[in-house]
Amino acid sequence: NAGVTQTPKFQVLKTGQSMTLQCAQDMNHNSMYWYRQDPGMGLRLIYYSASEGTTDKGEVPNGYNVSRLNKREFSLRLESAAPSQTSVYFCASSEASETQYFGPGTRLLVL
Amino acid sequence: AQSVSQHNHHVILSEAASLELGCNYSYGGTVNLFWYVQYPGQHLQLLLKYFSGDPLVKGIKGFEAEFIKSKFSFNLRKPSVQWSDTAEYFCAVNKGGYNKLIFGAGTRLAVHP
Repeated sequence: NAGVTQTPKFQVLKTGQSMTLQCAQDMNHNSMYWYRQDPGMGLRLIYYSASEGTTDKGEVPNGYNVSRLNKREFSLRLESAAPSQTSVYFCASSEASETQYFGPGTRLLVL
Repeated sequence: AQSVSQHNHHVILSEAASLELGCNYSYGGTVNLFWYVQYPGQHLQLLLKYFSGDPLVKGIKGFEAEFIKSKFSFNLRKPSVQWSDTAEYFCAVNKGGYNKLIFGAGTRLAVHP
């Protein structure tokens, strides 16, 4: 069991470039989440998907889009990256409101 | 606004000292409560959780937490810390039945040998 996997691990973008962060889980969880982690601010929810075929905004959705490709995969897209999106991005999955399991994270630097 | 507050942003202790990290939340009603730990360079891992029942819950690595409903608190404790406990600790809350977790800002713990 790999748990939650994320790609890439590191990425450097220029302002205005686009990219997609990939996340997959092999625990057959219905719910998946994208967070960003910034110093002194904990983790903030960007988007989540309560079940396959549904997505909802979290606390900080502006500048991001998501796709729940199937039950296993949940991607996060930055259409036009900005320096304010420099952060560490974590994907997580859970069964409903139960414990969330986190991936290893993606460190993104936007210049 | 609904929130989770962690009282200390940075804590420095010597090995064998006792630890208590505070966490307060502002939700009413039924809540699920979590403490996660993030060791340097690693992803978040669950330390312990409270859904219902005995308000004193025990987690991994000798950690425990007490849910005090009247104080909206879920403080994390460990009687004797080790150097390997150096990490960042996050309290998180979701309302019962809802998926969305709200995290506190985190507490960085440094344990000196």
